[in-house]
Amino acid sequence: AQKVTQAQTEISVVEKEDVTLDCVYETRDTTYYLFWYKQPPSGELVFLIRRNSFDEQNEISGRYSWNFQKSTSSFNFTITASQVVDSAVYFCALSGSGAGSYQLTFGKGTKLSVIP
Amino acid sequence: KAGVTQTPRYLIKTRGQQVTLSCSPISGHRSVSWYQQTPGQGLQFLFEYFSETQRNKGNFPGRFSGRQFSNSRSEMNVSTLELGDSALYLCASTPTDRVVTQYFGPGTRLLVL
Repeated sequence: AQKVTQAQTEISVVEKEDVTLDCVYETRDTTYYLFWYKQPPSGELVFLIRRNSFDEQNEISGRYSWNFQKSTSSFNFTITASQVVDSAVYFCALSGSGAGSYQLTFGKGTKLSVIP
Repeated sequence: KAGVTQTPRYLIKTRGQQVTLSCSPISGHRSVSWYQQTPGQGLQFLFEYFSETQRNKGNFPGRFSGRQFSNSRSEMNVSTLELGDSALYLCASTPTDRVVTQYFGPGTRLLVL
């Protein structure tokens, strides 16, 4: 069975601070995919990034960066110089390969509040 | 391209009734998945359809069903509604079998009284 753990339920930071959201996953698949989604108060899940299990390269996109480490089964997300618009619930998710790649297992989410 | 659209956006029903929710995927996307989001259970996978066939199903009772049409639009149905079915129902579409990123719609908020 697949499992995603986001140990941080809520985080509050002051604007311009850096913040890291943790994600730990469990899977028996050798090929799998990891995702981060953002859910603003409107409810729609916004796709941020996808990572394949065979690509451990870290990625940076503007103020966002992701650190994927298979050795610790972690896929952490860092926001640099946070802004009020970053306030949302962030979900880490995992899917398998083949037919299982269309079934996402989500963590419980981390609610990020950026205080001006 | 237009995003995933879901109708209706809000719905109020009473226990015992049934409800049908609709999802139109992004143009060209053939896979449609449904998820239920509640404060207690979080985001849970309901089912996934591709080319009008259900390929995956989550751990939900038979009261939850779905279908997909030839134009890839999908509907899900919940019969004999219970209070616990109150949730945000999210639909997602995926472009092809080689690209597994799911793009979500705005959801339908269902309240069962």
